[in-house]
Amino acid sequence: GESVGLHLPTLSVQEGDNSIINCAYSNSASDYFIWYKQESGKGPQFIIDIRSNMDKRQGQRVTVLLNKTVKHLSLQIAATQPGDSAVYFCAEKGDSGAGSYQLTFGKGTKLSVIP
Amino acid sequence: EPEVTQTPSHQVTQMGQEVILRCVPISNHLYFYWYRQILGQKVEFLVSFYNNEISEKSEIFDDQFSVERPDGSNFTLKIRSTKLEDSAMYFCASSPAEYTGELFFGEGSRLTVL
Repeated sequence: GESVGLHLPTLSVQEGDNSIINCAYSNSASDYFIWYKQESGKGPQFIIDIRSNMDKRQGQRVTVLLNKTVKHLSLQIAATQPGDSAVYFCAEKGDSGAGSYQLTFGKGTKLSVIP
Repeated sequence: EPEVTQTPSHQVTQMGQEVILRCVPISNHLYFYWYRQILGQKVEFLVSFYNNEISEKSEIFDDQFSVERPDGSNFTLKIRSTKLEDSAMYFCASSPAEYTGELFFGEGSRLTVL
């Protein structure tokens, strides 16, 4: 089975509401996780990352939560805006000691913001 | 704002033909990557490149694939003999430092193999 996956393929939210996008991972040895956003016709764009020695990290309007006990990762977007409509991927670092990062991406959740 | 640029944006080729996809990473970045995304599926790692050599590669990156940094700016992916299943969006990415998952992706090159 795949190492990283998402609970829901699509999510629709009203503009101004908060969004929560979930991700499950199976490799308990993973120590670094990232969220990417992919708008239609574009490449993935880094949003936020978190290392396994943390359980929460906040950015601008986004928060990532990591629950290592149940191997669950979530991305919370506050006051969702139409520009947040995109596919969101969680990714984990591969099991290599190399300085380069081989990322394993999940399948993605499509977020649609309803005006 | 600096960005990763990729050419061509779309290439159509016949099965068995050679294809070269080109990328210009962000100028002060040290690590370079190729990922691919088959339509509607997840993004998959192909290869990473540092200090003029491959640092990691996936099972997808077989002998049909090669990468090169022929000069100080370009980073290329060559597929020697394309197969139908090579049809995908190919993304180049770069990062400024090691031990970071903050990769800067280009907009991709769509490869269609007929």
